[in-house]
Amino acid sequence: AQSVTQLGSHVSVSEGALVLLRCNYSSSVPPYLFWYVQYPNQGLQLLLKYTSAATLVKGINGFEAEFKKSETSFHLTKPSAHMSDAAEYFCAVTPAGGSQGNLIFGKGTKLSVKP
Amino acid sequence: DVKVTQSSRYLVKRTGEKVFLECVQDMDHENMFWYRQDPGLGLRLIYFSYDVKMKEKGDIPEGYSVSREKKERFSLILESASTNQTSMYLCASSLVGPLSIEQFFGPGTRLTVL
Repeated sequence: AQSVTQLGSHVSVSEGALVLLRCNYSSSVPPYLFWYVQYPNQGLQLLLKYTSAATLVKGINGFEAEFKKSETSFHLTKPSAHMSDAAEYFCAVTPAGGSQGNLIFGKGTKLSVKP
Repeated sequence: DVKVTQSSRYLVKRTGEKVFLECVQDMDHENMFWYRQDPGLGLRLIYFSYDVKMKEKGDIPEGYSVSREKKERFSLILESASTNQTSMYLCASSLVGPLSIEQFFGPGTRLTVL
């Protein structure tokens, strides 16, 4: 069975500091991996996705994530936090080649950005 | 742009009422999903549908039912609302196939059951 673990339900950084949000997955088959962002009172928006091409994936708003098979990780980073990055971030996994499209979501990490 | 719309942003209902949450997508997606989102629990799948009139239970289907009479519309039904169904409900849609698994989300409906 697949699962996703996001380490840290809350992360706080200063504006301009590095953002690192952690995601580890378990999957018996090669996975597809996703990061979604949710701004207050809105739905989820896709930040980036890994679908077995390049292991370093670049997304919107300056975010990127690196797939590390040996560590079963897909951590999200951004070199310099902006106040507008304050939101909740969700990591998700689905088996590669699966046509059903079901995603398994982590419990989310709420990012706060201090001025 | 893909658009997924939900009938209400905020809804207040009383215990025992029958509640309908509507979701419409305009991109001819085969798959549609209903999730509930609660603090600290992330998103949990209630039901999903691969095609018209087809439905599959997700992780927490108890107390809910769904209807998909048309491809673009997926309805979530709370037969008899209870206070523990107070939550944010998110609808999503996606294409079928291994390269088309990104889900597109609606803005959510925040349901309060009194």
